[in-house]
Amino acid sequence: GPKVLQIPSHQIIDMGQMVTLNCDPVSNHLYFYWYKQILGQQMEFLVNFYNGKVMEKSKLFKDQFSVERPDGSYFTLKIQPTALEDSAVYFCASSLGSGASGAETLYFGSGTRLTVL
Amino acid sequence: GEQVEQRPPHLSVREGDSAVITCTYTDPNSYYFFWYKQEPGASLQLLMKVFSSTEINEGQGFTVLLNKKDKRLSLNLTAAHPGDSAAYFCAVSSISGSFNKLTFGAGTRLAVCP
Repeated sequence: GPKVLQIPSHQIIDMGQMVTLNCDPVSNHLYFYWYKQILGQQMEFLVNFYNGKVMEKSKLFKDQFSVERPDGSYFTLKIQPTALEDSAVYFCASSLGSGASGAETLYFGSGTRLTVL
Repeated sequence: GEQVEQRPPHLSVREGDSAVITCTYTDPNSYYFFWYKQEPGASLQLLMKVFSSTEINEGQGFTVLLNKKDKRLSLNLTAAHPGDSAAYFCAVSSISGSFNKLTFGAGTRLAVCP
């Protein structure tokens, strides 16, 4: 089936540093998402992105977070500066349509485990 | 907003036994329901997408039951085998959002012992 690739699978950084998480979405998909999962808890929506713009974000999407997809390359999540509470697994997803009816299927990557020391 | 509770967080069964994972949700406007399977180190794999008008949905080796009155969704694995060992997540999509925003359960780690 369609594959979403996330690079790297693990990242360890010191608090205050910048980190960029990369996502290679399904090639013909137009909508992109980031979800955050703290260990033992459920995955929570961070942001969705379409046509170069953030369409919707949750309260978890702090000012230190930003997303972009320059020139159709990787869809990235940047955190600058990082904080201890940013330690989590970040999942990228993509979909073909917006799913305004709720029916759209999201295809997920395998996640990037971020550890902030 | 929507809240989804998934039980149990961990489940261990013997090969050939059935395994049942249940999610309850709060938003009566929820229309689409998803079950994902995640093996260690792998991406979430869509098992089934369920529309609210269908109460019983059968897949390969499993059944998804939807009880709209009780706002409960369950995944029943019949005759589990070791390859079913994975984390399972339910997700609920509400039509009140303008874009697809899933609310996930916390997951169930299933271990199937030979």
